[in-house]
Amino acid sequence: EAQVTQNPRYLITVTGKKLTVTCSQNMNHEYMSWYRQDPGLGLRQIYYSMNVEVTDKGDVPEGYKVSRKEKRNFPLILESPSPNQTSLYFCASSARGETQYFGPGTRLLVL
Amino acid sequence: AQSVTQPDIHITVSEGASLELRCNYSYGATPYLFWYVQSPGQGLQLLLKYFSGDTLVQGIKGFEAEFKRSQSSFNLRKPSVHWSDAAEYFCAVVVNDYKLSFGAGTTVTVRA
Repeated sequence: EAQVTQNPRYLITVTGKKLTVTCSQNMNHEYMSWYRQDPGLGLRQIYYSMNVEVTDKGDVPEGYKVSRKEKRNFPLILESPSPNQTSLYFCASSARGETQYFGPGTRLLVL
Repeated sequence: AQSVTQPDIHITVSEGASLELRCNYSYGATPYLFWYVQSPGQGLQLLLKYFSGDTLVQGIKGFEAEFKRSQSSFNLRKPSVHWSDAAEYFCAVVVNDYKLSFGAGTTVTVRA
């Protein structure tokens, strides 16, 4: 089954404790993105990747890092999480010019 | 810059009644447009998309949307809603190969 998976689905952490949210897709898509969803703001892109070792900033990249060492994986790293990063995070993937497919979301609470 | 506006934050509709969700876009050329639905506690599911061609697009779950270039709109409709349609709905426009610009979302409540 074609899918985008994210782990963990739910995470509670404390300020400053580094964390990684994993994202994996099995569709051999070149493009992958991370979005965050906040009430009243819809989804905003954090980072994106056009292929292995090619990443760039989206609209709200501050406080986040990403890497793309393999085509199927695109982890999101919060080196020092802060409460304003409490949000719902979605990973997405697509082939060029095609529909984006979204993962199930990761709900993060930073205390 | 390409953007999407969903004027209605929250809509309440009776079960069996019709539903229309508004979406207005800002884009210079022919836009690629999407409607996604997010049920409570769930991820985003694609309802339908418009790339080109017929301006009336049919989607899953009985939804349809009509692209109107003159009004810069891509409104979503369903003739008769079911309680399971209670969800948040997002309109989105393709900005480039790797980015969608989303509206703020419309929450739909279905009353019995």
